[in-house]
Amino acid sequence: ETGVTQSPTHLIKTRGQQVTLRCSSQSGHNTVSWYQQALGQGPQFIFQYYREEENGRGNFPPRFSGLQFPNYSSELNVNALELDDSALYLCASWRGGSANYGYTFGSGTRLTVV
Amino acid sequence: GEDVEQSLFLSVREGDSSVINCTYTDSSSTYLYWYKQEPGAGLQLLTYIFSNMDMKQDQRLTVLLNKKDKHLSLRIADTQTGDSAIYFCAERSQTGANNLFFGTGTRLTVIP
Repeated sequence: ETGVTQSPTHLIKTRGQQVTLRCSSQSGHNTVSWYQQALGQGPQFIFQYYREEENGRGNFPPRFSGLQFPNYSSELNVNALELDDSALYLCASWRGGSANYGYTFGSGTRLTVV
Repeated sequence: GEDVEQSLFLSVREGDSSVINCTYTDSSSTYLYWYKQEPGAGLQLLTYIFSNMDMKQDQRLTVLLNKKDKHLSLRIADTQTGDSAIYFCAERSQTGANNLFFGTGTRLTVIP
């Protein structure tokens, strides 16, 4: 079974620009979450999508938005990039609504804002 | 809200046991997790424990849970240089999205 794949692996953007990060969930997983991991910190929850609807959000401003597609893949969009948005962005998938115990994480996209 | 705390650094000699500790605040958490992160990589699920358990063993890994003190530990037996990484403790929220709350991570260094 395939795991969670994220693209791109690295990118550099300029302050004020917009960025789109992509995630393909693990086969059979219908729920996708996004996390931001700043340098030296633990991951922080951004939001989650279940069956193409956002069903939970962390303490992030509206310029962080997302989508989930019918094949359960997902996008994270960030508008008006700020220097503090520089981080590793992790996508995780799981089978929501079940007794599934674990989330599978991708390797992340490292975003640098200059 | 949920808060998960871990010590930042741990050094052990190869072959010794490592014990990584974590405290959490949400007493209603049903699942608690340990993840491993190697340099430049994502998170690898090592093990988890359900809240009605006190202990779980999986090969070299032993998880101990003290619900009364909201304390979780991960013991790695016969620590190897390949175990050098950052270890994150996480609790699963019981509200909303059932998302994970992570600690800041413990950097384990194994000395040959």
